[in-house]
Order: sequence, then C-alpha cells, then structure tokens
Amino acid sequence: QSALTQPRSVSGSPGQSVTISCTGTSSDVGGYNYVSWYQQHPGKAPKLMIYDVSKRPSGVPDRFSGSKSGNTASLSISGLQAEDEADYFCCSYAGNYRRVFGGGTKLTVL
Amino acid sequence: QVQLVQSGAEVRKSGASVKLSCKASGYTFTSYYMHWVRQAPGQGLQWMGIINPSGGSTTYEQKFQGRVTMTWDTSTSTVYLELSSLSSEDTAVYYCTIVAAGLYYFNYWGQGTLVTVSS
Repeated sequence: QSALTQPRSVSGSPGQSVTISCTGTSSDVGGYNYVSWYQQHPGKAPKLMIYDVSKRPSGVPDRFSGSKSGNTASLSISGLQAEDEADYFCCSYAGNYRRVFGGGTKLTVL
Repeated sequence: QVQLVQSGAEVRKSGASVKLSCKASGYTFTSYYMHWVRQAPGQGLQWMGIINPSGGSTTYEQKFQGRVTMTWDTSTSTVYLELSSLSSEDTAVYYCTIVAAGLYYFNYWGQGTLVTVSS
C-alpha cells in the first residue's frame, strides 16, 4: 500500500488561509468517506483534527475544515495562528481494516 | 478518561526482536480495535496493523507480514507488538492508538515508544 501524497511543506502568514492536499487512489481516498487529518507538534503524539472527510471533533476550532473530491482530500486552515505551526498527516481507510497515511506536510506560520 | 500507556524505550541490535506493550484504561477494552503506527525519525506515520481485543483477530500491513505479531491480554487490558529481524530501518517511535468499532479515525494515542536498532 503506497503512502498518500501530500506536499512536503506549506506556509502562510498569521491570519491567512492555507490548504493541504492529500492524494490517493480509488482504493483508499476515492473509495471511502473515511479520511482523517492529524496535527503533530514536535515530540508529541498526533492529534485528531478532522474525521470522516469533513467532521470536526469537539474542541477543534472551526478554522479547520476538510473536504474531498475524487481521489484527493484537502485540509483547509483559515485565520492562521502561530500555534497552528506543526506537521499535518492525512489518513484514509483502505478496506479490510487497513489504513494508509500521507507522508506529512510541514506547516510554517511566517 | 481514556489512557494508553506504552512501555519504555528499547535498544536492540540488528537481527534481534523487540516486544512493546500498550496498557489501556478508561474504557471497555474489548470495545475498541487497537492499531500500531510507527514514525521513523523525521519521517511520516506508517500504519503497521490492527488487533481486535475481542477475539484476537489481526490484520497486518503487507510490508510487515512474517515479522510482526500483535497479541493481547484481556486480564491486564494490554496489547503487545512484537517485531522480529530488526534492522536500522525499524528505528522509530511506535504508537498504539484505538478506534471504536464502526468508526474509522484515531481519537486516542499512546505516548509512543522509541525503538533504536543499532548494528
């Protein structure tokens, strides 16, 4: 199972918006509405930010949103804040209990 | 509250095996599937496999087939990951994480266990 494709890095200034893409295949991203996104700060465990493509867990700011079109899912962050600087990983269900992660995107807040 | 507490850091030589543990509390142990995910230094997350503590069925990522074994102990609410024939490429932080039956996202994670493999 190949990793999902994410840009290595994105950046934006405080208050701006950024979008991180996550491209898979019809066997994972395109085949199921079970894409989730995780934020990871250095030395910490990942934190769930978006699940089932576009749902937000309680406690996650509504500045974070998710969407999907075909084999590509996207995480959008509006009103960037310094604390948003982190690595972001997408994850998709791939059938038969399997999961596949993206390679990760480093978000820099300028 | 849900807690996943993992065992401490390990150092192994190439060719050896390692067995990690993940002790769960704060929820019904058999109601959540346990997954293992690893992260090599500076790299992304890699899914390794899943165990259903209700019955013990497992599914492993093909890359690890033949080298990985996931087991469980209901009496102590602990899941184990054993990885054999270690190489330097297995140097990583290993996380346990749970998914409720019928759901598809990881809401709770252990703190991670660093495994260092030296030649």
